[in-house]
Order: sequence, then C-alpha cells, then structure tokens
Amino acid sequence: DSGVTQTPKHLITATGQRVTLRCSPRSGDLSVYWYQQSLDQGLQFLIQYYNGEERAKGNILERFSAQQFPDLHSELNLSSLELGDSALYFCASALDPYNSPLHFGNGTRLTVT
Amino acid sequence: DAKTTQPTSMDCAEGRAANLPCNHSTISGNEYVYWYRQIHSQGPQYIIHGLKNNETNEMASLIITEDRKSSTLILPHATLRDTAVYYCIDSINTDKLIFGTGTRLQVFP
Repeated sequence: DSGVTQTPKHLITATGQRVTLRCSPRSGDLSVYWYQQSLDQGLQFLIQYYNGEERAKGNILERFSAQQFPDLHSELNLSSLELGDSALYFCASALDPYNSPLHFGNGTRLTVT
Repeated sequence: DAKTTQPTSMDCAEGRAANLPCNHSTISGNEYVYWYRQIHSQGPQYIIHGLKNNETNEMASLIITEDRKSSTLILPHATLRDTAVYYCIDSINTDKLIFGTGTRLQVFP
C-alpha cells in the first residue's frame, strides 16, 4: 500500500460529460502529480502541484484542469469528455519536488462511452 | 519523448539475478537515474535512484557506469512477483518524470 488514495476506482461516463477524480496524498507529502496511461500512449505526465501551487505542466489538454487544496488533496477535472480520454489516471505524491521518490496510487479507470 | 533506451523485454528464471540495462546517452551531470516498475495495471512503484555512486536498498541494487551513460538495475533473487515493466528515467528532479516504454521482465518458474 503506497498510502496514496484515489477515488473512484472505476468511472464510466458518456461523451461530453464532466468528471472529477480525487487524490489524497501520503501523510506529509507536499507534492502531487497526475499521470494518464492509455494503451497506445504509455504513462503521460499531466500536471504537478507543490504545496498548493502549480509547479509543472505536461501535455495536459485545455479540457482538463486540476488543483491542490489547502489540506493537500488534489482533484483532476476532465470535461467535454471524448472516447479517447478513456484511460487509467494515476495520482502520485512525494515529500518534495526534488529527489524524493514518487508514490503512486492504484489509479482511476475512466471509460468514456 | 523518453531520453533513455531499454530493451523491450527480458526473461529471468526464478531465484536468479535479473540484470536490467539502461542507456542514458544524453544524461547531464546533475541528473539522477531513477528506476520504477509497474505491475500489470497497478500504479508504478519506486525502486531506487542514484546520481553517481552505486546504490543498494532492500529491493534492488543500482550500478551506474563511471561515465554515467548506462546503468543496470539488479534484482538479486527474482521472484514471480517481480514480473513487471521496469522503467529507467534520468532527470534533474521529479518535475515531469518521463516514463518511456520500459522493459517487460518476465520471471518464469
């Protein structure tokens, strides 16, 4: 158990809809990362927060947004969903954004129909 | 795109050492070498990281060549539960860690 909690585990929704994925980091970790993993793309970095502030951004679509709250949990919002957004979404946390290991949750499997 | 190069797949007999190579042809002096693994559809798991010196922890050993252009992850006594995709990454810090396609390690009985 990594200590990172992601909810929900599974999500099925229709095209055009909006969903929110939630991540609770390990106790004491200040950095939160979001990754997307689809069959044909591998693990893709989306966005990173450190102590409530956005620190790094990857190839995150404009339809996607995220935030980290004062209690350090994070949410990833996906809107105007398309079939191609179906993927595993992983959250990871780390003590700091320097060289601390990333600890990943078990992901949210999103299916867009 | 990933900066590292790894074999696509490897096999290892249970109980034997698994040696997973990685090429870091563009690594710079202040970039660390990280290794993670992902067991089917689970979240990736941190294994080990290092800068210049060889490192060992309870999971594995990391050997980095003197020129730092290659590294080897060693699982000293592979078990069936070590079957996974192994990723090596070089990066100055954990911002934007780029996971490539990794090496699929199959441990067989």
